[in-house]
This record gives sequence, C-alpha cells and structure tokens, in this order.
Amino acid sequence: DAGVIQSPRHEVTEMGQEVTLRCKPISGHDYLFWYRQTMMRGLELLIYFNNNVPIDDSGMPEDRFSAKMPNASFSTLKIQPSEPRDSAVYFCASSFYIGGLSEQYFGPGTRLTVT
Amino acid sequence: AQSVTQPDIHITVSEGASLELRCNYSYGATPYLFWYVQSPGQGLQLLLKYFSGDTLVQGIKGFEAEFKRSQSSFNLRKPSVHWSDAAEYFCAVGTGANNLFFGTGTRLTVIP
Repeated sequence: DAGVIQSPRHEVTEMGQEVTLRCKPISGHDYLFWYRQTMMRGLELLIYFNNNVPIDDSGMPEDRFSAKMPNASFSTLKIQPSEPRDSAVYFCASSFYIGGLSEQYFGPGTRLTVT
Repeated sequence: AQSVTQPDIHITVSEGASLELRCNYSYGATPYLFWYVQSPGQGLQLLLKYFSGDTLVQGIKGFEAEFKRSQSSFNLRKPSVHWSDAAEYFCAVGTGANNLFFGTGTRLTVIP
C-alpha cells in the first residue's frame, strides 16, 4: 500500500480564499483523523471519522472549518474563508481501530500558508 | 483528563552517545502509550507502542521504551545515537475510548 496520501503538499493562498485539503487513507482502515500542527499549539486533533461518519469534531476551531468523507477512500478538509492564523501543517491519519487499540498511520502533511 | 508531558523541548547529543527522552502521562486507568518520530517535512512514524505485558518495549531503529506505572512515565531510549536519528519525537497516550493525545514533542539534534 502507498500509505496515507495527502494533496497538495504545499498550499499558499490569500486571506479570504477557500482552501481544500485532500486525503486518501490506507485501504481497509476504518478510522480517519485530521490533525493540525503549529509551533504554538503542537499537534491538535481536529476531527475523526469512523466508517465515513464524523464521530468527534470538537477540535474543529471554527465554523470556517468543515470536513467530509464521502466514501472510504477519500476525505476533504475545507477552510472558508481562510485566515493567516490558519497557517499550519495539516496531517491526515488512518487506522483500523481507535485510540489505544491500533496505531495511526500519518500522511506527509499539507503545509498551508495564508497570506 | 488525560495529558502527556515531554519536559525537554530540545536535546543535543553526540553521535554514538546514549539517548533518553522523557515522557510523563496523566490518565486514570492503564494507558496505551506510543512514541512517534517526525523527520523534517514528513509525517509521524510509529517507533513503538505499549498496550500491556512486558514493560520494556522494543521498537524500530534500535529504540526501546520502558513503562513505569509508579512514575507515570514512558521514557524512550537508544544506546547509541546515529546522525539519522535527528528528528522530532512525540509521546502519545491512547485511552482506548477516543483518540490519541500527543505531547508537545522533543527535538533531537545529533552532533558529530
């Protein structure tokens, strides 16, 4: 398997623009996670899905953020409108189980810069 | 509430020297513990994990970690560091009911 795939790897956009980040989890994994990493706040869980259904979105910072998982092989994280404080590295991860029962496999991340 | 503390933000060691990265956790029950490594520009890769049983866990790349319940610690060790070990290391706790909680990371620099 190619591992978790994320696109784009880098995104530079202007404040106010819509940004869409994409993730393809490892085939057969039934959990998908979106994380955000910044110097100030470290690694934060934004939302996670189980069998394509959002389970916990309490980490989503604002209504400007939304995530979807239309099928088992694809998920998107959308920011609309984007702001400079959204600049971060966004990681997608997938796993068989949740939390302690299985490890999470991380994608390479998308580095977002909002100017 | 669960939490993870990595008290060392940055550690510098000489190549060939031994390494210990500290991790303390807070959780009311038996935790599931992980160490991940992140190389520059890369995602996180699992080094090792502890679920139960032997408290000394072996991982990839020659790393090991020891779970000490009395100290609420899960320190990562390597007897001889290689230049390629320079990276950021994250300790995480899984409660089994939800997601992983990550520490803030320790950045390792290896000098020749």
